[in-house]
Amino acid sequence: GEEVAQTPKHLVRGEGQKAKLYCAPIKGHSYVFWYQQVLKNEFKFLISFQNENVFDETGMPKERFSAKCLPNSPCSLEIQATKLEDSAVYFCASSQSGQRTDTQYFGPGTRLTVL
Amino acid sequence: AQSVTQLGSHVSVSEGALVLLRCNYSSSVPPYLFWYVQYPNQGLQLLLKYTSAATLVKGINGFEAEFKKSETSFHLTKPSAHMSDAAEYFCAVSPYNQGGKLIFGQGTELSVKP
Repeated sequence: GEEVAQTPKHLVRGEGQKAKLYCAPIKGHSYVFWYQQVLKNEFKFLISFQNENVFDETGMPKERFSAKCLPNSPCSLEIQATKLEDSAVYFCASSQSGQRTDTQYFGPGTRLTVL
Repeated sequence: AQSVTQLGSHVSVSEGALVLLRCNYSSSVPPYLFWYVQYPNQGLQLLLKYTSAATLVKGINGFEAEFKKSETSFHLTKPSAHMSDAAEYFCAVSPYNQGGKLIFGQGTELSVKP
C-alpha cells in the first residue's frame, strides 16, 4: 500500500494484560521502525527491522516487549504484562533502505491505555 | 551521541506573522536533520530534510529551514502563518551508523491566533 497502516487505533488493557499492535509498512519498504510517544511528545525509538530481521533493538525494554516482522504478515509489537507506564501512542514507520538520508513514513499510531 | 534540542515548547504567532521554530543539534559528524509535523491525533509528516546538499532547504506548505554549522542550528521558518499551521513540530537527527533511526527533539507546539 501507499501508506503505513496500524491497527488497532485504540487499545485498552488492564494492568498485567497482554497488548499486541500491528503495522503494515509501505509496499517495497525494507525497513520498519517502532517508536513510543508518551504524553504528546517525547518520541522514543524502540526497535527497527530490515525485512524480517531485527536491525536495532537498543530501545526495547526487553523484559516485556517483543516484536516481529514475518514475511507476508504485518509486523507486530507485543507487550506482555502491561504496566501503567506503557500507556502511550505507538507509531510505526517504514523507509525504503534504512539509510540516514531516507524519509521515514509514519502510520497514524495505536493509542494504548493501561488501566 | 547525536541529539537535537528544540527551544520553546510552545510558540504562539498571529495569522500572517513569521513563524520561527528553533532546533539546535549536537553532533561530531555531519548531521542529517529532519523536521516533521504532527497534527492532532495523527502520525508524523515530513516537512523537509537536510542531507548535506544545499544548506537552505525548502519543504512543503511554504516551510523552509537553513542549516548553519557555525551555530549548530536548523531552525524552521515560514514567512506568513496560516491557521492550518497550528500543530506540533518535531526536529530530528539520524545518528551516524545506526540504521536510519531518528532521535527526536522534545517538540514545539505552534498556535496561530486569528
